[in-house]
Amino acid sequence: DAKTTQPNSMESNEEEPVHLPCNHSTISGTDYIHWYRQLPSQGPEYVIHGLTSNVNNRMASLAIAEDRKSSTLILHRATLRDAAVYYCILRDREDNAGKSTFGDGTTLTVKP
Amino acid sequence: DTGVSQNPRHKITKRGQNVTFRCDPISEHNRLYWYRQTLGQGPEFLTYFQNEAQLEKSRLLSDRFSAERPKGSFSTLEIQRTEQGDSAMYLCASSRQGSPSGANVLTFGAGSRLTVL
Repeated sequence: DAKTTQPNSMESNEEEPVHLPCNHSTISGTDYIHWYRQLPSQGPEYVIHGLTSNVNNRMASLAIAEDRKSSTLILHRATLRDAAVYYCILRDREDNAGKSTFGDGTTLTVKP
Repeated sequence: DTGVSQNPRHKITKRGQNVTFRCDPISEHNRLYWYRQTLGQGPEFLTYFQNEAQLEKSRLLSDRFSAERPKGSFSTLEIQRTEQGDSAMYLCASSRQGSPSGANVLTFGAGSRLTVL
């Protein structure tokens, strides 16, 4: 299954936008791009997903490159509660969806 | 629905003992996954079920590990003859085949933390 690469850590100031990048150069045509985040002592939590077009939901926005080899999770106004480890993974369309490989994610620190 | 439930949340055991973890997925989810996570690392895939069938197992799942999902609902993960290297967080996730988006979103439980002394 295809792998993703993310920076180990990023910092942001509270109430400022945050752009978290992810590279997935070996993405296949049927792979969805998913983002999850994990707070301390909790399981990962779904944030957003997309296939080709940019996506928005109440938590974040997802910008997908035209060639789909990279994507960016956008938190429009970071809060202290957004401090977490963010994971970008690829999941095949549901007919073939099985395991997904998580990297070590990006640890986001939000400064007050 | 209360989400994915995992029990126990914490387990401390002595090396050589057997432990069992239980996962109750979201009721309409027919797919269930087990992952293992050590400190500072991302989750590592262990195994995955579709209904009661175990469709994929990682090479990480040695013969001391066994997972079952006998009626396609809850699942158990048993570790026999535990070793200190088994100390980790064991995460369960579920997803629904046939979701409108087709994207097979994972819903994780809070995990079961195992400490082997």
